[in-house]
Amino acid sequence: AQSVTQPDIHITVSEGASLELRCNYSYGATPYLFWYVQSPGQGLQLLLKYFSGDTLVQGIKGFEAEFKRSQSSFNLRKPSVHWSDAAEYFCAVGERGSYIPTFGRGTSLIVHP
Amino acid sequence: NAGVTQTPKFQVLKTGQSMTLQCAQDMNHEYMSWYRQDPGMGLRLIHYSVGAGITDQGEVPNGYNVSRSTTEDFPLRLLSAAPSQTSVYFCASSPLLAGTTGELFFGEGSRLTVL
Repeated sequence: AQSVTQPDIHITVSEGASLELRCNYSYGATPYLFWYVQSPGQGLQLLLKYFSGDTLVQGIKGFEAEFKRSQSSFNLRKPSVHWSDAAEYFCAVGERGSYIPTFGRGTSLIVHP
Repeated sequence: NAGVTQTPKFQVLKTGQSMTLQCAQDMNHEYMSWYRQDPGMGLRLIHYSVGAGITDQGEVPNGYNVSRSTTEDFPLRLLSAAPSQTSVYFCASSPLLAGTTGELFFGEGSRLTVL
């Protein structure tokens, strides 16, 4: 069975600084990979996904993520963070032939002005 | 563009009471699921369904029932509420892509407090 680790429970950055949120997965084959964002009091919204092909994936709100098979990672990046990016971020992995993704426990992003 | 609609958004129950959390989606998605979200625990799958008449248990099914009589609706029933069921509940749906994992579309959540 697959698993997902988000090593950082909280990340604090200054507005305008760059951001990288880490995600590591455990899965034998090529996984489907997702990043979701949850703003306070809201449901989760998909930021981006990787199914196959180009390992650098562009998403909404200026986010991107890179699939690195050798490191079993799918880290989320943004070059310049805005105060509105403060939220909870979840990495998820799905396996081919299963309907159910596995979620990481989330990383809370705090943005200082 | 309703997407996934959950009702109620907030509910307070007393221990032992029963209630139903409603979930409806208008995207004709075959897959629907219920999660609970607790601090430090992330999202935990309660029950899921891959089509009308088909349901299955997730990671934490005890104390919850579901049914799927239509493609659109997937209600979650708490039979006898306990304080441990105090949580935020999310309904999510997805189109099945050749029988494998697809993007999940989430409702806005239902915050339940059991006293």
